Amino acid sequence: EAQVTQNPRYLITVTGKKLTVTCSQNMNHEYMSWYRQDPGLGLRQIYYSMNVEVTDKGDVPEGYKVSRKEKRNFPLILESPSPNQTSLYFCASSPPGGRNYGYTFGSGTRLTVV
Amino acid sequence: GENVEQHPSTLSVQEGDSAVIKCTYSDSASNYFPWYKQELGKRPQLIIDIRSNVGEKKDQRIAVTLNKTAKHFSLHITETQPEDSAVYFCAAPGGFTGGGNKLTFGTGTQLKVEL
Repeated sequence: EAQVTQNPRYLITVTGKKLTVTCSQNMNHEYMSWYRQDPGLGLRQIYYSMNVEVTDKGDVPEGYKVSRKEKRNFPLILESPSPNQTSLYFCASSPPGGRNYGYTFGSGTRLTVV
Repeated sequence: GENVEQHPSTLSVQEGDSAVIKCTYSDSASNYFPWYKQELGKRPQLIIDIRSNVGEKKDQRIAVTLNKTAKHFSLHITETQPEDSAVYFCAAPGGFTGGGNKLTFGTGTQLKVEL
């Protein structure tokens, strides 16, 4: 089954404790992206990757890091989480632009930073 | 970059009525306009999309219309049913920023279909 898998689904952590949210897709998609969803603000892009070893900032990258060492994986790293990073996070993937922009989203990670 | 505005933020309709959600975008280079449905506690899922070379697309009870001159597009749901209750997001890609695949999303519309 074609899918994007995120883990964990729920995470509660303390301020300053490094964490990683994993994302993996099995559709051989080149493009992967992280979004955060906050009430009234919709979905905002954090980082994206056009292919292996190619990553760039989205609209709200502060406090986040990503890596793309393999095509299928695109982890989101919070080096020193703060309460304002409490949010619902989605990973998404799609084929390269020009053919199909349609995103497939992961099931989401609800992060709470206390 | 692209700026997408979506209205209304909440919409309540009676079962069987129609619902219309409207979005405007700023970047005239945008050429693809998807709509996503997000049920409570679930991921956003693509329900319909339209490309800039057509003005309307239908899929059973849902349709999307596009006016490139005015830079707005709309989602139309006819004969609404309780299972249509969800948050709906529009999106647009803008030009070739974000690697060409970046989607900028609207802020969402909470649709409630009442019995």
